[in-house]
Amino acid sequence: DGGITQSPKYLFRKEGQNVTLSCEQNLNHDAMYWYRQDPGQGLRLIYYSQIVNDFQKGDIAEGYSVSREKKESFPLTVTSAQKNPTAFYLCASCTGGWGNQPQHFGDGTRLSIL
Amino acid sequence: KQEVTQIPAALSVPEGENLVLNCSFTDSAIYNLQWFRQDPGKGLTSLLLIQSSQREQTSGRLNASLDKSSGRSTLYIAASQPGDSATYLCACSLSGSARQLTFGSGTQLTVLP
Repeated sequence: DGGITQSPKYLFRKEGQNVTLSCEQNLNHDAMYWYRQDPGQGLRLIYYSQIVNDFQKGDIAEGYSVSREKKESFPLTVTSAQKNPTAFYLCASCTGGWGNQPQHFGDGTRLSIL
Repeated sequence: KQEVTQIPAALSVPEGENLVLNCSFTDSAIYNLQWFRQDPGKGLTSLLLIQSSQREQTSGRLNASLDKSSGRSTLYIAASQPGDSATYLCACSLSGSARQLTFGSGTQLTVLP
């Protein structure tokens, strides 16, 4: 089955540590996205990528970094500069371009501070 | 900047009732509007996508409408069931954007048996 796989499901970060969240898709989608969700709130865009080797900042990119070396993969690094990293992180993908297709989401990674 | 609002934040109804969830947005230059369902601790599942040129979309017991001029969308759920209990989120994609979505904060629906 095609889909988006996020790992790990739960992640704990120590003070001053960088952590990387994995997102892999086998849907052959060009565009990929990272969102952050805080309790009782909607999703906010961190970074997005429309094509391999290219990505753009979203609304809350500070303290995060990404790479897009392969079409299937879009890992997110939460750096020590992100002072409030505790949240639910969701990765999504879609066909991109001018098509009207919905975004597909993974099951998320819950990040907490130790 | 697009802002998306969903009211109410929570709704509790008895099984079998028809219900309407509301979504409003500030910038009418949308490319499409999407409704998602989120179960606790899970990702989002796409329910309906309405293109900017459309007025409504239907899937089973779900019907979503779009009124760009008033900046509103509604999600109608017919004959609600306990399995419909979840958080429902609407999101807009602006014209000319890279299809990134602006989300509302969601309506948490509980359908009581």
